[in-house]
Amino acid sequence: DGGITQSPKYLFRKEGQNVTLSCEQNLNHDAMYWYRQDPGQGLRLIYYSQIVNDFQKGDIAEGYSVSREKKESFPLTVTSAQKNPTAFYLCASRTPGQDTGELFFGEGSRLTVL
Amino acid sequence: AQSVAQPEDQVNVAEGNPLTVKCTYSVSGNPYLFWYVQYPNRGLQFLLKYITGDNLVKGSYGFEAEFNKSQTSFHLKKPSALVSDSALYFCAVRDMGGATNKLIFGTGTLLAVQP
Repeated sequence: DGGITQSPKYLFRKEGQNVTLSCEQNLNHDAMYWYRQDPGQGLRLIYYSQIVNDFQKGDIAEGYSVSREKKESFPLTVTSAQKNPTAFYLCASRTPGQDTGELFFGEGSRLTVL
Repeated sequence: AQSVAQPEDQVNVAEGNPLTVKCTYSVSGNPYLFWYVQYPNRGLQFLLKYITGDNLVKGSYGFEAEFNKSQTSFHLKKPSALVSDSALYFCAVRDMGGATNKLIFGTGTLLAVQP
């Protein structure tokens, strides 16, 4: 079945460590997104990519980095520069169709910094 | 700037009763509006969207939403609530500024359906 796979589902990290969250999709979508979810704040956009080898900062990109070397993959690295990294991270891709396409989401990765 | 507001943090309804989850928006131009549902520790699932046309949009799981341009609202509705509808619901609007094609999400409304 087509979909978006995020891994790991749960991750614990010590302060000062970088961690990479995986996002893979087999939907053949060009556009992919990373959102961060905190209680009571909804979803905030970290980075997005509209096509391979191109990505743009979202609203809260500081302390994060991404790459888009393949259409299927859009990994997110949470660096030690991110001051408050404990959150639920959601990866999504968008159906083709210019502005009207909806987002498909993965199951999320919950990162906890100890 | 585009934005959406969900004025209620939580909505409580008895099973079998109609439910409404409210959403208002602020955009320049014609809005593209979406509703998503999230179950605990899961990703978001698309429910429905309004792009143009009929103001009443039907979606998944028996949900529908009514677009009201004069009130800048896009409330989610269901005629008869189920306990299994209990979840977190997000309204979203397409950011029409630039070429980002990103969605701007509300803060979410927790729907609790009591048996």
